[in-house]
Amino acid sequence: QVQLHQWGAGLLKPSATLSLTCAISGGPLSGYYWSWVRQSPGKGLEWIGEINYDGGTNQNPSLKSRVTISMDRIKKQFSLTLTSVTAADTGVYYCAREIGPQVYSSGWYDYWGQGTLVTVSS
Amino acid sequence: EIVMTQSPATLSVSPGERATLSCRASQSISSNLAWYQQKPGQAPRLLIYGASTRATDVPARFSGSGSGTEFTLTISSLQSEDFAVYYCQQYINWYSFGQGTKLEIK
Repeated sequence: QVQLHQWGAGLLKPSATLSLTCAISGGPLSGYYWSWVRQSPGKGLEWIGEINYDGGTNQNPSLKSRVTISMDRIKKQFSLTLTSVTAADTGVYYCAREIGPQVYSSGWYDYWGQGTLVTVSS
Repeated sequence: EIVMTQSPATLSVSPGERATLSCRASQSISSNLAWYQQKPGQAPRLLIYGASTRATDVPARFSGSGSGTEFTLTISSLQSEDFAVYYCQQYINWYSFGQGTKLEIK
């Protein structure tokens, strides 16, 4: 059974950098995109970005300039960095496994982390 | 950007009755649609992908239909554990979610 466990700082000041990590267990890294999705009262569920086993990444165009997603294949972890945070970045951040009809094709999220509440406040 | 619109925002239904939730895409997404269920304090749970294929371990009372721009999630006979928020998600052009339908007990 695939499990995702995530962690990172929950309280940030404006202009700080958000850093979250997600550990994958119970399944392979290859063949999937590993994603970050956030949820806020104002914007609902929002895709942030994704990375595959080969290190290929895609980011939401609205966040692209501030988002970095990386992967540590040995540790079976992937991470999110979001720079210059503001109150608008407050929300619950989830890591998730994306699966599609073919390998590395766009798809849906079948496994999710437990979520991390990130609050940006001075 | 493809905008997903769900209706109604809140749906009140009695246990044992049928619930019908709608999701509309701002442009055609073929069958590239998934449905999720979310309960308070939990991550979303995948219910349906490909517009109509049930995910593993999802009860048969959940069914999805539609293609193009109009989609429906039907729960045939509501159980107490089904009262939650439901989201649709498109995955043909990056990824975007609807704003959710809250299914509450009548």
